[in-house]
Amino acid sequence: GAVVSQHPSRVICKSGTSVKIECRSLDFQATTMFWYRQFPKKSLMLMATSNEGSKATYEQGVEKDKFLINHASLTLSTLTVTSAHPEDSSFYICSAETGGSYNEQFFGPGTRLTVL
Amino acid sequence: DAKTTQPPSMDCAEGRAANLPCNHSTISGNEYVYWYRQIHSQGPQYIIHGLKNNETNEMASLIITEDRKSSTLILPHATLRDTAVYYCIVTRSSNTGKLIFGQGTTLQVKP
Repeated sequence: GAVVSQHPSRVICKSGTSVKIECRSLDFQATTMFWYRQFPKKSLMLMATSNEGSKATYEQGVEKDKFLINHASLTLSTLTVTSAHPEDSSFYICSAETGGSYNEQFFGPGTRLTVL
Repeated sequence: DAKTTQPPSMDCAEGRAANLPCNHSTISGNEYVYWYRQIHSQGPQYIIHGLKNNETNEMASLIITEDRKSSTLILPHATLRDTAVYYCIVTRSSNTGKLIFGQGTTLQVKP
C-alpha cells in the first residue's frame, strides 16, 4: 500500500514553545489529509481535516489557533502545536487519502510529543 | 455515521482463527464497514472493508450479516504479530473521508 511518513517520530519540548509535525505522502498525491490525537490507552480522536490549498476544518472542541494546520502541497501537511503545554503531550497521527475512484486512506506512524 | 459496538478485549490462541464481532445496528444503506488495526505505538493499518457482500483479502475475511446490522472480522490463522487493537468503523461512502474511531477490541494472541 501507499506510504505516509511523519517527522519527527518523537519530540520533547519545553512548555511554551511551538512544535511542528510534518506529514508526507511518499508515493502518491493527497488532496485530503487528516490529523488525529491519541492519549494513552484511548482511541484516536480526529482533530481536523486538511485540504490542499484551503483552510483546515477543525472538529468541535479543537482550538484552531493552537493547532495550526498547513497543507501547502499535495504531498505535505504540517501540524504546529503553538505554545505547547504538558496537557498537549500526546501521540499525533496523520492520514492521507489517495483519492480517485478507489479511494483509500493510509496512516502515518505517528509522532510522540512530550511537553515538559 | 452509524455507531459501532465492539467487545473491549478478546484472546485467541496462536494458529487459530480470530473472530472479532462488531455491531452496527443503525447502519444505513450507503454506509460501508471498515476495519483497521493499531499495533502498539504505531499508526492504524487498513485491513478490509465491505458494503453488503462478504469480502476476503490476504489479511482477513469480512462477514456481513444479511441485514447488515453486524459483521465479523476473521483472521484465519492468528499469529503473535496480530496482537493489536482492532477498530470497526462505519463510514458514509467508499471514499473513506474522516474516520471516527471507537474504543475497538484489543486482541491478544497467545502462544
